[in-house]
Amino acid sequence: NAGVTQTPKFQVLKTGQSMTLQCAQDMNHNSMYWYRQDPGMGLRLIYYSASEGTTDKGEVPNGYNVSRLNKREFSLRLESAAPSQTSVYFCASRVEGSSYEQYFGPGTRLTVT
Amino acid sequence: GQQVMQIPQYQHVQEGEDFTTYCNSSTTLSNIQWYKQRPGGHPVFLIQLVKSGEVKKQKRLTFQFGEAKKNSSLHITATQTTDVGTYFCALAGGTSYGKLTFGQGTILTVHP
Repeated sequence: NAGVTQTPKFQVLKTGQSMTLQCAQDMNHNSMYWYRQDPGMGLRLIYYSASEGTTDKGEVPNGYNVSRLNKREFSLRLESAAPSQTSVYFCASRVEGSSYEQYFGPGTRLTVT
Repeated sequence: GQQVMQIPQYQHVQEGEDFTTYCNSSTTLSNIQWYKQRPGGHPVFLIQLVKSGEVKKQKRLTFQFGEAKKNSSLHITATQTTDVGTYFCALAGGTSYGKLTFGQGTILTVHP
C-alpha cells in the first residue's frame, strides 16, 4: 500500500496563477483532509471531506476550493494564487473507528512569488 | 473552537538528556493525540489519550493526560539524535468528522 500520495512535491507559482494539488489514498478511508503548515503555526485545516460527495470548510478556507472526486481522491485548488498561500500543504486521511488517527501524505511545498 | 497552547516552542538538549513538551487547554478535552514530524517530513501519529489521568508508554516516550483532561505531556527519557523533530499535540473535534486542531508544536534539537 502506498498510503497517502500527493503531487506535485514542489511548485513555484506567480501571483494570480492557478493550480490543483492532488491527493489520493489507497486505505479505503472515508474522511480526508487538507492542511497547510506555516512556521510557528502548526497545521491548520483548510477543508475536509467526511465522505465521498461531501466537503466542508475548515479553519482557513479562503482562497481555496476542493473536490472529492471519488473515495480515493481529494484535490485542492488555488484559483488565483497569492504570496500569503506560500506554505507546505499536507493531505491526510482518517482511520475509521474510535481513534481519530490521521495518516498524512508527504506534502507539497508551494511558493508563490 | 477549542484551542490548545503548546510549550515550549523550541528545546535544545544534549544527547542523553530528558525532554518534555506540554499542551494546555482552558477547556476540558475529550481526547488528545500526539504526532511527530521529522525535519522535511510529514506528521506521523504517535498515540491517542482519552481517559482522565491516562499514562501510556512507548519505549523511551511517556504520554500523560491530566486528571482534569485540560493538559497533556510528552516526556522523552535519554534523548537520542533520532528524536530530532517537531512534536505536536492535536485535539480531535468529537463528532466533527475527526477534524484535528493542532498545537503550535515543539521543535526538538538534540546535540550529539
